[in-house]
Amino acid sequence: KAGVTQTPRYLIKTRGQQVTLSCSPISGHRSVSWYQQTPGQGLQFLFEYFSETQRNKGNFPGRFSGRQFSNSRSEMNVSTLELGDSALYLCASSWIPGQGAYSNYGYTFGSGTRLTVV
Amino acid sequence: AQSVTQLGSHVSVSEGALVLLRCNYSSSVPPYLFWYVQYPNQGLQLLLKYTSAATLVKGINGFEAEFKKSETSFHLTKPSAHMSDAAEYFCAVNPYTGANSKLTFGKGITLSVRP
Repeated sequence: KAGVTQTPRYLIKTRGQQVTLSCSPISGHRSVSWYQQTPGQGLQFLFEYFSETQRNKGNFPGRFSGRQFSNSRSEMNVSTLELGDSALYLCASSWIPGQGAYSNYGYTFGSGTRLTVV
Repeated sequence: AQSVTQLGSHVSVSEGALVLLRCNYSSSVPPYLFWYVQYPNQGLQLLLKYTSAATLVKGINGFEAEFKKSETSFHLTKPSAHMSDAAEYFCAVNPYTGANSKLTFGKGITLSVRP
């Protein structure tokens, strides 16, 4: 079956702009989590959505937001981009929240969207 | 609160040599523990996971890890390194509280394999 699909793969934006990233989970998976990966801070949890509701949120400013649609696809949005937002943004899916911890598959990650802010 | 410490940022081994990547965790509750691998320009691939069953966990590509509660460690090993093992490796912890999906990652270790 198809894996986790993230689009676009690469993105270049200018400071002050906003950006929307998309994540389509594995078919049947209803939980989507987002992570930011930077050389300095490593992998940091942004938020998690399940059944169109945000269940958990990391320590990021309000410029970072997300949503989930009824088909479980998720988008994250970053407004008023800053240079420090340049990162690889990864999403991970699982059938239900926490299921990735006890299933045989863990959390399945997409290939990420590489965002560069100039 | 949970945290993961991966000692050292870079490990270099010769092809055929033992691979040992260290991970220590801190968790206020019994944890689930994971090792993920990341190849350049790709996402994270699960190598193996500990879920409170067997303490010695076997994963893909010949990797295994042993959960040692007394040492709060979950070190990753492979008896014989292959050139294709060169990548970045992340240890992660997830608290054993049911429906909490948040993974807390270590800083990662870059593994280089010399011919």
